[in-house]
Amino acid sequence: AQSVSQHNHHVILSEAASLELGCNYSYGGTVNLFWYVQYPGQHLQLLLKYFSGDPLVKGIKGFEAEFIKSKFSFNLRKPSVQWSDTAEYFCAVTYSSASKIIFGSGTRLSIRP
Amino acid sequence: DGGITQSPKYLFRKEGQNVTLSCEQNLNHDAMYWYRQDPGQGLRLIYYSQIVNDFQKGDIAEGYSVSREKKESFPLTVTSAQKNPTAFYLCASSIQPLGPLNEQFFGPGTRLTVL
Repeated sequence: AQSVSQHNHHVILSEAASLELGCNYSYGGTVNLFWYVQYPGQHLQLLLKYFSGDPLVKGIKGFEAEFIKSKFSFNLRKPSVQWSDTAEYFCAVTYSSASKIIFGSGTRLSIRP
Repeated sequence: DGGITQSPKYLFRKEGQNVTLSCEQNLNHDAMYWYRQDPGQGLRLIYYSQIVNDFQKGDIAEGYSVSREKKESFPLTVTSAQKNPTAFYLCASSIQPLGPLNEQFFGPGTRLTVL
């Protein structure tokens, strides 16, 4: 079955630490990949997306993600986190054979000031 | 101001009552979706609609029903058959359901509590 795995359920970091959140998807052909973020009390919003081309994708607020096809991964990174990055992060994938998006279970990121 | 609106923000109902959650979009998107968000489980797809007067079951459709009579509206009814209806419900839309335009835009959500 098509699925997305986020292995870290809760990550706690200090400000200025580097961040990497894991995301793996199951094989299913051509994929589009997304990272969404949900700040406390706010709408779920798109952080970045990969459709084709350069596998290193840059998003808003200094985030980036790298699509590694051989590893079925799309990990999210940020070199130096801020307290305002405290949020829940969701990885998602759409497969060309399907008309819906599949979300991972989410990773809650807490930043210590 | 374009976007997706969901109402109400908080909803309380007694067990055994049906309840309808509203979702409206003025983005002129073809596709609309309903998700349920529970702690530690991410977003699970309830129903989706690719075009007016058409909709498909998602992964957890049991106990829910939808309609898509207008392009901008996709209401969700939580019926008494839904065994565990207390949750946060998110509505989303996308320009198209497939291809590079299938980025989803989300509403603010409705938190339903069944007493």
